Amino acid sequence: SQTIHQWPATLVQPVGSPLSLECTVEGTSNPNLYWYRQAAGRGLQLLFYSVGIGQISSEVPQNLSASRPQDRQFILSSKKLLLSDSGFYLCAWSEGAGWIEAFFGQGTRLTVV
Amino acid sequence: AQSVTQLDSHVSVSEGTPVLLRCNYSSSYSPSLFWYVQHPNKGLQLLLKYTSAATLVKGINGFEAEFKKSETSFHLTKPSAHMSDAAEYFCVVTSGGSYIPTFGRGTSLIVHP
Repeated sequence: SQTIHQWPATLVQPVGSPLSLECTVEGTSNPNLYWYRQAAGRGLQLLFYSVGIGQISSEVPQNLSASRPQDRQFILSSKKLLLSDSGFYLCAWSEGAGWIEAFFGQGTRLTVV
Repeated sequence: AQSVTQLDSHVSVSEGTPVLLRCNYSSSYSPSLFWYVQHPNKGLQLLLKYTSAATLVKGINGFEAEFKKSETSFHLTKPSAHMSDAAEYFCVVTSGGSYIPTFGRGTSLIVHP
């Protein structure tokens, strides 16, 4: 069966520090991968998605970047965190062409101080 | 183009009473519709999905939803609320083979003993 791993679960980082969040999927090949951010009391904002290795689409201009170095690995990064980067970050995956259904990781709570 | 509106930001029910969470959508193509549930500080879990098959869709934990094209609605129901149903619920629409679904802003379900 397929599983998705996302870590760390919580993270407190100072303003200006770098960020690296990792997401891996097991039990499937060539998944579509997504990074979402959820600010407190708000809905989900799509940040990046990828339909293949090295293919990254950015939905929102921001202080973040994403990479997909391997088929089932998706990394969210920042060189210098801002206070506004605080939030709940969710990784998700889906199969096939388009979003048929998606499966989410457990999320990372990032607090920038 | 596609959009989704969750008509209530909060719904409060007593344990054992019916649940109704409302969702209206718009889509230029035949839509696929989903309901996800999110418990605090957790990832999203798929409750059910509609992808142009039966209009009455049954999901996990006793939830079901009915696709009504004439009303552009996909409301989520459950006959009897349980305390464990207290969570945030998201209605999601996608269409035309898009990789980018549109999430509603969420409905917080509160269950009173």
